[in-house]
Order: sequence, then C-alpha cells, then structure tokens
Amino acid sequence: GNSVTQMEGPVTLSEEAFLTINCTYTATGYPSLFWYVQYPGEGLQLLLKATKADDKGSNKGFEATYRKETTSFHLEKGSVQVSDSAVYFCALSDFGNEKLTFGTGTRLTIIP
Amino acid sequence: SQTIHQWPATLVQPVGSPLSLECTVEGTSNPNLYWYRQAAGRGLQLLFYSVGIGQISSEVPQNLSASRPQDRQFILSSKKLLLSDSGFYLCAWRTGGGVYNEQFFGPGTRLTVL
Repeated sequence: GNSVTQMEGPVTLSEEAFLTINCTYTATGYPSLFWYVQYPGEGLQLLLKATKADDKGSNKGFEATYRKETTSFHLEKGSVQVSDSAVYFCALSDFGNEKLTFGTGTRLTIIP
Repeated sequence: SQTIHQWPATLVQPVGSPLSLECTVEGTSNPNLYWYRQAAGRGLQLLFYSVGIGQISSEVPQNLSASRPQDRQFILSSKKLLLSDSGFYLCAWRTGGGVYNEQFFGPGTRLTVL
C-alpha cells in the first residue's frame, strides 16, 4: 500500500536559518505529491505540489522537488521567518485512489 | 471560486450526548468529500469519505457515522459521544477523479467531550 514517512519533529530553528523537512514515500503507482501547512487553530492549506518526476513545486519561498529515484519530496526554504511556525504535512495521491495518504506531520517553530 | 464551510467552530459536549457536525461546499459540483480527525498533537486520521450522494466509505470502526444528504453537504454524527471523540474535526473536498487533484480543507471544528 501507499505510505508517507516524514521527519520526526518538533523542529526548532532561528529566524533566517535554512530549513529542510524530509519526506519519503512508497506508492504502488506514479503518484502526485503535496505539502500542506497547518497554522495554529486552522485547517490545512496546500503549500505546493508536484505531479511528475523532477517537477519542482514552489510557493512562499518554499520548494520541493519530486525525486522518483529516491522516492523523496523534501521541503526546503532558504531563510525561515517566525511566521513560518506551523505543522507541515507531506502527502501523496495515487491513481485510482480517492484518498490522500498523509505523513504524520512535522511541527516547526521559528524563534526570533 | 470554491469555498468550504464547517460549523460549529467549537463545541463542548458531555459524554453520552449526540453530535452533529456539518460541512458544506460552494462553487463546485459532485465533489469528493472527506472527514478527518486530528487528536491533540497528532496527525490526521481519515474517518469517512464520499464520492457521491448517499455513498459513504468508513475508514475506522467507531461510534461515529457520516451522511451525505445533498451533493455538497457532508454531516458527521454520533448518537453517544465518548471522551476519546475529543479532537479537531476537519472536512475536505476534492474534484472527483484524477490523480493530480489536491484536497481543500475547511477551517475545522474543535470538539471537547467532558
């Protein structure tokens, strides 16, 4: 079956630090990949997505590249801000499956 | 544009009382609809999903149920709440079919069972 494995949290960084949150996946088909962000007390928002190998999704300074050879979709940002503090979820969607498979989430805290 | 609504935003209920949470989507037709629960500090647990009116798939056996009486309405219910039902309940929708389609989430309902 499908699965998503995310970097264990929580992650705490100083403002302007470089961020990487690791995500690897297992899928029976050729999935689409997503990163969602959840700010405190809110629902999930789509942050970025990629639908085929070597695609790079980007939004708000965040980037992730779909790596089929390593089955990975790591989230990166060059300089984080306090406002980036949130929980980040990696997810995949596989053909013929009406559901998304989510990772367990990584809580990120940025300190000034 | 599409929007998704959930209500109530917060709810405090005694153990053994009934529950009804409502989710509605505007601006799209025949969406897939989903109910998730998020316990404090935990990940997402898919509870139910629906690909059409009256079609409900249950992911986890429990004392909750779901119904879809209209195309863009999804209801989560319980006859008797348990303490373990406390959590943050999220509704989501997705365009039916297609591997590339992401889910869009509502603002959530925070349920506390005392």
